[in-house]
Amino acid sequence: GNSVTQMEGPVTLSEEAFLTINCTYTATGYPSLFWYVQYPGEGLQLLLKATKADDKGSNKGFEATYRKETTSFHLEKGSVQVSDSAVYFCALTDGNYGQNFVFGPGTRLSVLP
Amino acid sequence: GAVVSQHPSWVICKSGTSVKIECRSLDFQATTMFWYRQFPKQSLMLMATSNEGSKATYEQGVEKDKFLINHASLTLSTLTVTSAHPEDSSFYICSGTSGNTDTQYFGPGTRLTVL
Repeated sequence: GNSVTQMEGPVTLSEEAFLTINCTYTATGYPSLFWYVQYPGEGLQLLLKATKADDKGSNKGFEATYRKETTSFHLEKGSVQVSDSAVYFCALTDGNYGQNFVFGPGTRLSVLP
Repeated sequence: GAVVSQHPSWVICKSGTSVKIECRSLDFQATTMFWYRQFPKQSLMLMATSNEGSKATYEQGVEKDKFLINHASLTLSTLTVTSAHPEDSSFYICSGTSGNTDTQYFGPGTRLTVL
């Protein structure tokens, strides 16, 4: 079956540092890929998505590129802020209507001032 | 963006009582809604999938008689935890999808504590 693997962390960075959170996946066909962010005590918010190979999703300074050849969707940000401290989930779906979501274990990011 | 609300945001109840959690899509029609459970510092565990007007489909190991799901309209789904026990204490999150997108939009979650 489909699966998502991501670095579990926790990741601790200083403000303005460069962030990379690795995500790799296993899936048949051509899944859509997502990054969701969960702030403390809250639900998940969609951060960005990509639906086909070589697509780049971007939002709020975060970027991730759908790499089919390496089955990866790494999340990057050039300069993190304290407010970026959260848990980040990589996910995929092979369904056209939002079904069959598979989530990674989540990566906890702490950004220190 | 698509907004999903949940009510209540937190609830404390006594063992043996039932608790109802509402999930509403505020600005889109959610043809399918999902209910997840999340334990501390863990990922989401899908409990069930519900389509408007149909019976929910439960994941293996989830007791359908304990976790009653009703998806009565395109904007409302409810999860009722019946005869709750302390082991049911958890963070419950719902999500919805509109049927013309592959994206799930999540509610803010409900923290249930059973004493």
